[in-house]
Parts: sequence; C-alpha cells; structure tokens
Amino acid sequence: EVQLVESGGGLVQPGGSLRLSCAASGFTFSSYWMSWVRQAPGKGLEWVANIKQDGSEKYYVDSVKGRFTISRDNAKNSLYLQMSSLRAEDTAVYFCARVAATATTFAPFFDYWGQGTLVTVSS
Amino acid sequence: QSVLTQPPSVSGAPGQRVTISCTGSSSNIGAGYDVHWYQQLPGTAPKLLIYDNNNRPSGVPDRFSGSKSGTSASLAITGLQAEDEADYYCQSYDSSLSGYVFGTGTKVTVL
Repeated sequence: EVQLVESGGGLVQPGGSLRLSCAASGFTFSSYWMSWVRQAPGKGLEWVANIKQDGSEKYYVDSVKGRFTISRDNAKNSLYLQMSSLRAEDTAVYFCARVAATATTFAPFFDYWGQGTLVTVSS
Repeated sequence: QSVLTQPPSVSGAPGQRVTISCTGSSSNIGAGYDVHWYQQLPGTAPKLLIYDNNNRPSGVPDRFSGSKSGTSASLAITGLQAEDEADYYCQSYDSSLSGYVFGTGTKVTVL
C-alpha cells in the first residue's frame, strides 16, 4: 500500500524557516518524480515544487522561487521542502504527492497524496 | 491565482446528473495538455478521480466521467449520491508558467 506521511509543520514567524519531510513507503520511491502541493485555509490547491527521480531537476512555482528548496533522499525514501523567508501568504496545508504519468500522458498528474501538514506563518 | 476556471458550486438531487466545467486557455488545455480531476472530501487530502481526460483509476465508480474539448474540460457525475458531496478540482500543465496548474475548485452539494 502506498503511503506518504508528512511532518514538520507548525507555527513560524514571518521571515523564519521550516523544513517539511515526507516519508514514503509501499512503492519504489526512487522511480518517481515527487511534488509538494499546498492549500491555504479555505482556498484551492496550488502546486509548489517537484523533483526528478535522481534529484537532478527541480521546478518551482514563481511565488516560492529563491525561498523554497525541494530535495530528496532515496536511501531514506524521503522527500523534503526547506522553506525560508516565510510570509503570511505561505500559510497552508502542505501535501506531499507522487507524480504519475501513463505512456500517453501529456501533463503528469498526482496519483497518491499524503494527509498534509499545516504551516502557519504569523507573529 | 488559478489559470483554470471552474464554477464555485453546483448542486443536484440524489440520482441526478451534474457537470463541472474547467475552462483554460491556449497555454494549457488548449495546447493539448491532459486534464485530470481530484475529489477532496471535507478535511481530507485530494484523491485522484479522473486522469488523462477520461480515465478512471481502479476503484473509482463509473458514475464519474471526464471529457475534454478545445480549451475546456468537464467532469460529469451521474446518479448523484450523498457521498459525492465534496470539492472537485481539475488540473493540467501550463507552458507559459512552466508548471502544473489547478482549477479554482467546485463544491458539489447534494440536495
């Protein structure tokens, strides 16, 4: 059974830093792109970042470029999101998601999601 | 801000059919990128409902179906049930933004 379990959320002051983790199990972690997706309270979903299987390619939404860093440790089956210079608008539940695609997919999708971890940026 | 537009809400009586639209542009759906749909029950993580425009993952009832045409896509729910009350999001890729994009989300209410 595929499982994604996020941790590391909490309350942080504006300008502060936080590191989120996602522990993966039930599949060959090193074979999949992985992503972080966030959801502000009462709002919709927003893709944040994704990372290639070997970590050689990383992509970010413009609003977090230069502030957030996605990384992974395939030996530990873990995905990370290092967040710095946090702003109030970064307050959200952060989901870890597995990226999937079929042989004919033209735009990957997210086939498994974790339960999310809440990050609150407030003084 | 979302680049895929959905109606904020749709509603229907049990057993009825409802549809949710997802309107994009020439840099996402109109460029040929696939559309996927997710269901998010209250207080839970999103769940993949439809992938590659019209395919259902194992375990998703055939009451759910998807379609895509031009710069838009649609999700249809037939035989609406109380358990379908949730938020629904479309998702694709946008070449101008070089990233994944989600729809604004639609709340389905079963009357």
